[in-house]
Amino acid sequence: NAGVTQTPKFQVLKTGQSMTLQCAQDMNHNSMYWYRQDPGMGLRLIYYSASEGTTDKGEVPNGYNVSRLNKREFSLRLESAAPSQTSVYFCASAAGASNTEAFFGQGTRLTVV
Amino acid sequence: AQSVTQLGSHVSVSEGALVLLRCNYSSSVPPYLFWYVQYPNQGLQLLLKYTSAATLVKGINGFEAEFKKSETSFHLTKPSAHMSDAAEYFCAVLKAAGNKLTFGGGTRVLVKP
Repeated sequence: NAGVTQTPKFQVLKTGQSMTLQCAQDMNHNSMYWYRQDPGMGLRLIYYSASEGTTDKGEVPNGYNVSRLNKREFSLRLESAAPSQTSVYFCASAAGASNTEAFFGQGTRLTVV
Repeated sequence: AQSVTQLGSHVSVSEGALVLLRCNYSSSVPPYLFWYVQYPNQGLQLLLKYTSAATLVKGINGFEAEFKKSETSFHLTKPSAHMSDAAEYFCAVLKAAGNKLTFGGGTRVLVKP
């Protein structure tokens, strides 16, 4: 089972460049999430999608946009990358019922120089 | 607003000693609560979850957590630490309406031989 697949695994960007992080899940989950992980900060929610067709801001949405392309895919876009966006990004999905766990991808390590 | 706080960003325990990781949440209603573990260079995986069925929850690898509404706490314990328990642990809270999943700052556990 693939579970949650993120691409790419590593990326180096120059300040001002744009890129899209891809996430796909094959578990027929309704909810999908994007987090960033920084040392000492835990996981901070960037955006989430409770169900296909909806997206909502999380704790740190500035500088990011998302698209819930279909039920399987949830992409995160950086329009103009900044060094402050250097981080490890995780995508997760959950069935959507209130008592179920989230499944995580392996992460994307992004460096903005 | 709903948030989760983990007390202590680092915990050091001796092999065989008790592991105690603290988590407090703020919510107007009892939320759904989770503990996740992250091993180096990996995504997160579920240890256990509280869904209001029982206040003492048992998880994988000998971990358990107790939900205490009066203290708004969901502390994680393991009676006897093993070297393989060295990892980072995250407490998380799920807001049922909207399926918003947010995490605490994480606690890194070091196990000394």
